Amino acid sequence: DARVTQTPRHKVTEMGQEVTMRCQPILGHNTVFWYRQTMMQGLELLAYFRNRAPLDDSGMPKDRFSAEMPDATLATLKIQPSEPRDSAVYFCASGTGASGGTEAFFGQGTRLTVV
Amino acid sequence: KQEVTQIPAALSVPEGENLVLNCSFTDSAIYNLQWFRQDPGKGLTSLLLIQSSQREQTSGRLNASLDKSSGRSTLYIAASQPGDSATYLCAVFSYSGGGADGLTFGKGTHLIIQP
Repeated sequence: DARVTQTPRHKVTEMGQEVTMRCQPILGHNTVFWYRQTMMQGLELLAYFRNRAPLDDSGMPKDRFSAEMPDATLATLKIQPSEPRDSAVYFCASGTGASGGTEAFFGQGTRLTVV
Repeated sequence: KQEVTQIPAALSVPEGENLVLNCSFTDSAIYNLQWFRQDPGKGLTSLLLIQSSQREQTSGRLNASLDKSSGRSTLYIAASQPGDSATYLCAVFSYSGGGADGLTFGKGTHLIIQP
């Protein structure tokens, strides 16, 4: 049963701490997205990789957020230092595509609470 | 910048009714459009993917249409059931002169089917 796996599922941390969220894309998928979902803003694209190269991270606050793909089976999203306004659900999605569009498959998300 | 709007924001109907959810997007330069379902506290489940060259896709009681030139898509749900209650999200995969821009989401339609 191929699925996108995200860890941890829940994270509560204190303001100022570093938070790392991990995503294992579906095997063989070459496209990875990171999204943040809040009630007010809905789903916002933070970063987007194809073949491990970042294609777009314009939606990500660069001063505190960073996204990487150390290898094809792992994507990470890091927040340092975390702030209460970062509290949200963070989703990873993966897909396939040599170029252009892809069908996206989502993980179950990481619910982050920063106190 | 691509913008996606979904109407209505919320809908409550009795079981058995046929219903239509609407999605519009501002930039017709898209690779595809995807409809998702999200249950409370869960991730997104892909329902239908329509490539830019296609007019519609069907899966069971669901039918999605795409009119790329007018920037519109509809999701038709036939013979609605209480289990269809969820938030339905529309997303478009856009491109610009610089390449693929990623997946942009609407804010969703919150659907309640009354038993």
